[in-house]
Amino acid sequence: AQSVTQPDIHITVSEGASLELRCNYSYGATPYLFWYVQSPGQGLQLLLKYFSGDTLVQGIKGFEAEFKRSQSSFNLRKPSVHWSDAAEYFCAVGRTASKLTFGTGTRLQVTL
Amino acid sequence: GAGVSQTPSNKVTEKGKYVELRCDPISGHTALYWYRQSLGQGPEFLIYFQGTGAADDSGLPNDRFFAVRPEGSVSTLKIQRTERGDSAVYLCASSLTGTGSDTQYFGPGTRLTVL
Repeated sequence: AQSVTQPDIHITVSEGASLELRCNYSYGATPYLFWYVQSPGQGLQLLLKYFSGDTLVQGIKGFEAEFKRSQSSFNLRKPSVHWSDAAEYFCAVGRTASKLTFGTGTRLQVTL
Repeated sequence: GAGVSQTPSNKVTEKGKYVELRCDPISGHTALYWYRQSLGQGPEFLIYFQGTGAADDSGLPNDRFFAVRPEGSVSTLKIQRTERGDSAVYLCASSLTGTGSDTQYFGPGTRLTVL
């Protein structure tokens, strides 16, 4: 069965600091991996996705993620966080983009 | 263009009642998905439609839950004999084909509260 672990429930960073959100997955084959962001009262918005090819994926809003097969990880990074990045971030895994399995999320707080 | 819309945005009902939640996908998207997000959790898959048919309903928790998509566009999630444990945000998503490198676009959700 596929599963996703986001070990950090809550992270606080200062505005302008770098960010890394961790995601580990369990999947029987090469997975499709996603990062979504959810702001209060908003729907889930796709930040980036990995299907194949280059293991470093660029997304919207300056985010990137790196797929590391040997570590079963797909960590999300941003070099300089803005206050507007405060939200909940979800990592998800799936195949043929149908049934996605999400992690429990990491809530990001940004201090000024 | 318009995104995925869901109505109502909030629904409060009493235990034992029947509820219907509606999802309007992005125009032209053949695939539609329902997820449920409980407090403090990530979305949990319920059912996936390809056109009018349910391609995967393995996430429906029991036979009180049912979903339809009769014309391959709008979908309705139906919950019979609601229980307090059904309280959650119900999310709908759609994608163009439901295959390959498709992206699922999510609606804002319906918050269901069962008293």
